[in-house]
Amino acid sequence: AQSVTQLDSHVSVSEGTPVLLRCNYSSSYSPSLFWYVQHPNKGLQLLLKYTSAATLVKGINGFEAEFKKSETSFHLTKPSAHMSDAAEYFCVVKNNFNKFYFGSGTKLNVKP
Amino acid sequence: EAGVAQSPRYKIIEKRQSVAFWCNPISGHATLYWYQQILGQGPKLLIQFQNNGVVDDSQLPKDRFSAERLKGVDSTLKIQPAKLEDSAVYLCASSLVGSESDTQYFGPGTRLTVL
Repeated sequence: AQSVTQLDSHVSVSEGTPVLLRCNYSSSYSPSLFWYVQHPNKGLQLLLKYTSAATLVKGINGFEAEFKKSETSFHLTKPSAHMSDAAEYFCVVKNNFNKFYFGSGTKLNVKP
Repeated sequence: EAGVAQSPRYKIIEKRQSVAFWCNPISGHATLYWYQQILGQGPKLLIQFQNNGVVDDSQLPKDRFSAERLKGVDSTLKIQPAKLEDSAVYLCASSLVGSESDTQYFGPGTRLTVL
């Protein structure tokens, strides 16, 4: 069975400081993993995806995530937060039957 | 390229009434998904189509929810009768098949409030 746990429901950082959004997964197979972002009143947008190539994945807007099989983690990071990064972020795992499982989301607040 | 279109954007109904949502995917996308996103939770897959066939509807409450994609393009999701716990945002997404099937493109969603 597949599941995704986002360890923090809310994260607050100051503009210019690093961002870390944590995600742990469980999967019976080698998973595909994704991060999506949802800005208020906008549709979900793909940030980045891991599909068994390089373990460090770079996405849009300066975000990246590292797949760590030994820790079953896929944490999202960004060196320097921008005000426009304030949004809700979802970690997603896909199983071998092309079914997607979303985490419960982490709301990122960026303080000036 | 035009994105995934959904209508209406907002709907308020009373319990036991019926409601329908419409989705038009990106042109050429064979796979279409309907998700339910309850406030404070991540999206949950309700049904997945490939062309006009159902791939997965294991989490669709079939006693009250139905969905169709008759011509393999746009799709309709219906709730009849609605319950209070159906209040949520209903998201439609589409994707290509094959090696590009990983990337889903989401519409803006329909926010349903059941009173």
